[in-house]
Amino acid sequence: AQSVTQPDIHITVSEGASLELRCNYSYGATPYLFWYVQSPGQGLQLLLKYFSGDTLVQGIKGFEAEFKRSQSSFNLRKPSVHWSDAAEYFCAVGASSGGGADGLTFGKGTHLIIQP
Amino acid sequence: DAGITQSPRHKVTETGTPVTLRCHQTENHRYMYWYRQDPGHGLRLIHYSYGVKDTDKGEVSDGYSVSRSKTEDFLLTLESATSSQTSVYFCAHRGGQSGELFFGEGSRLTVL
Repeated sequence: AQSVTQPDIHITVSEGASLELRCNYSYGATPYLFWYVQSPGQGLQLLLKYFSGDTLVQGIKGFEAEFKRSQSSFNLRKPSVHWSDAAEYFCAVGASSGGGADGLTFGKGTHLIIQP
Repeated sequence: DAGITQSPRHKVTETGTPVTLRCHQTENHRYMYWYRQDPGHGLRLIHYSYGVKDTDKGEVSDGYSVSRSKTEDFLLTLESATSSQTSVYFCAHRGGQSGELFFGEGSRLTVL
């Protein structure tokens, strides 16, 4: 069974600084990987996804993530954060076999705090 | 907008009472999912459906049942609610070939 670890429960970053959120996954084959963002009281919004091809993927809101098979990682990055980026971020993995029909497995989330 | 409507959005109920949460979609999505979100646990899959009357259990299915009698509606039922089922419940549908999910706004359930 697949699993996801987000090692950082909370991260505090100054506005304008760069950001990296860590995600490690466990899955026997090449996984489908995702990052979601959740603002307070809202549902989850897909930021970006990886399922094949270029290991550096671009997403919405200026985010990118890099798939590193050797490290079983899919870290999320942004060169310069804005106060509006304060939110909860979730990494998720899906099974490539069966097209992920049985849903995604989520990490426990990283709460991002932006300091002025 | 994921094209999913969840109802009710908020509900307070008492231990032992039955509760049904509804997930409605109008875009003919085949695959639908119910997750629960709890602090420190992220999102955990309760049940999912891969077609009308076709459902399967997820990671945390104990105490929950689901039904899908038509494509548009995926119902989650707590036969006898317990305080441990206090949570925010999210419905989602699958889009695309890579399995990404699109979520509704959530239903906050409080069991007293």
